[in-house]
Amino acid sequence: AQSVTQPDIHITVSEGASLELRCNYSYGATPYLFWYVQSPGQGLQLLLKYFSGDTLVQGIKGFEAEFKRSQSSFNLRKPSVHWSDAAEYFCAVGGLNTNAGKSTFGDGTTLTVKP
Amino acid sequence: DTGVSQDPRHKITKRGQNVTFRCDPISEHNRLYWYRQTLGQGPEFLTYFQNEAQLEKSRLLSDRFSAERPKGSFSTLEIQRTEQGDSAMYLCASSLSGRAGNEQFFGPGTRLTVL
Repeated sequence: AQSVTQPDIHITVSEGASLELRCNYSYGATPYLFWYVQSPGQGLQLLLKYFSGDTLVQGIKGFEAEFKRSQSSFNLRKPSVHWSDAAEYFCAVGGLNTNAGKSTFGDGTTLTVKP
Repeated sequence: DTGVSQDPRHKITKRGQNVTFRCDPISEHNRLYWYRQTLGQGPEFLTYFQNEAQLEKSRLLSDRFSAERPKGSFSTLEIQRTEQGDSAMYLCASSLSGRAGNEQFFGPGTRLTVL
């Protein structure tokens, strides 16, 4: 069974500081990995995704993530956080396209940005 | 591309009443997913359709829940005899089969409150 762990429930960073959100996954084959952001009362917006190839993927809003197969991790990073980045972040793992895989989500990390 | 839409955005009902939610996917997408999200949790998979066929249902989907996608376009999710534990955000997503990684696009969700 596939699963996702986001070890940090809540992270607080100062505006302009760097950010790293952790994600560990469990999946029996090559995973498809996603990071989503959710603002209060809203749906999920895709930040970036990894399918194959270069293990460092770039996303929207200046985010990037690195896939490390040996560590079963897909951590999200941003070099300089803006106040508008305050939101909840979800990591998800999906299956092979031929299985029409549903996505399995972690429980999220809430990001607070201090001025 | 108008995105995934859901109606209503908010629903307040009394315990024991039936409720129905609607999801309109992105027009060319043939796959449609329903997820449930409770406070402090990531979205949990409920069910998905490919065209009009319901191909997978989670054990979370009790007999009181039923979903349909009669013409392979919009979908409805009905909850009969609602219970307070059904209070959650119900998210709909759609995707296009054959697209690498089965990237899902999410709607804004329907917030259900059962009194």
